[in-house]
Amino acid sequence: ETGVTQTPRHLVMGMTNKKSLKCEQHLGHNAMYWYKQSAKKPLELMFVYNFKEQTENNSVPSRFSPECPNSSHLFLHLHTLQPEDSALYLCARSQAYTVDETQSFGPGTRLLVL
Amino acid sequence: AQKITQTQPGMFVQEKEAVTLDCTYDTSDQSYGLFWYKQPSSGEMIFLIYQGSYDEQNATEGRYSLNFQKARKSANLVISASQLGDSAMYFCPLGGATNKLIFGTGTLLAVQP
Repeated sequence: ETGVTQTPRHLVMGMTNKKSLKCEQHLGHNAMYWYKQSAKKPLELMFVYNFKEQTENNSVPSRFSPECPNSSHLFLHLHTLQPEDSALYLCARSQAYTVDETQSFGPGTRLLVL
Repeated sequence: AQKITQTQPGMFVQEKEAVTLDCTYDTSDQSYGLFWYKQPSSGEMIFLIYQGSYDEQNATEGRYSLNFQKARKSANLVISASQLGDSAMYFCPLGGATNKLIFGTGTLLAVQP
């Protein structure tokens, strides 16, 4: 149990749909992250929020839009996605955004774009 | 540029034997950390062990130990007494000045009974 929950666990969407992924943690940790894991590629950092402010956008296309309304919730809003966006999307949290802080991950959302 | 290399795409080990998973890294940061995570087929990344660049002792955590050789820029994971439940993908991300983790391609470990 990592203290990070993600919903939904699985999602199938068409290229014209709009959907949102939700990540939740109640440990009061200050840093939250979105990662993308595509088949046969290394895990890629997408966004970082530190104290609810976005501190990292790793050149992510604008069809992915993150939101962090409070310290417990992180969303990833999806619109007009492409089939190559099909992947496992992982959320993580850490106490602080520093080199020695362990990131704890959620179970992920498996996304399939048709 | 920061980089992680895991040269073993797949490994087999017999149950109850020890196994070493290789990890080399490249970074220009003076202060950095190396993590090992396990990812079963369910998808969740499970933290195993951490080694800081200034730590003088190799990290150990139960059956996991980290063979840290700073001059060689390697941080290999040793799993003693392998169990069937150890079958998973293993990643050794590098954390730099911030906590931005750089991942490699991972090693798939299969423990055979």
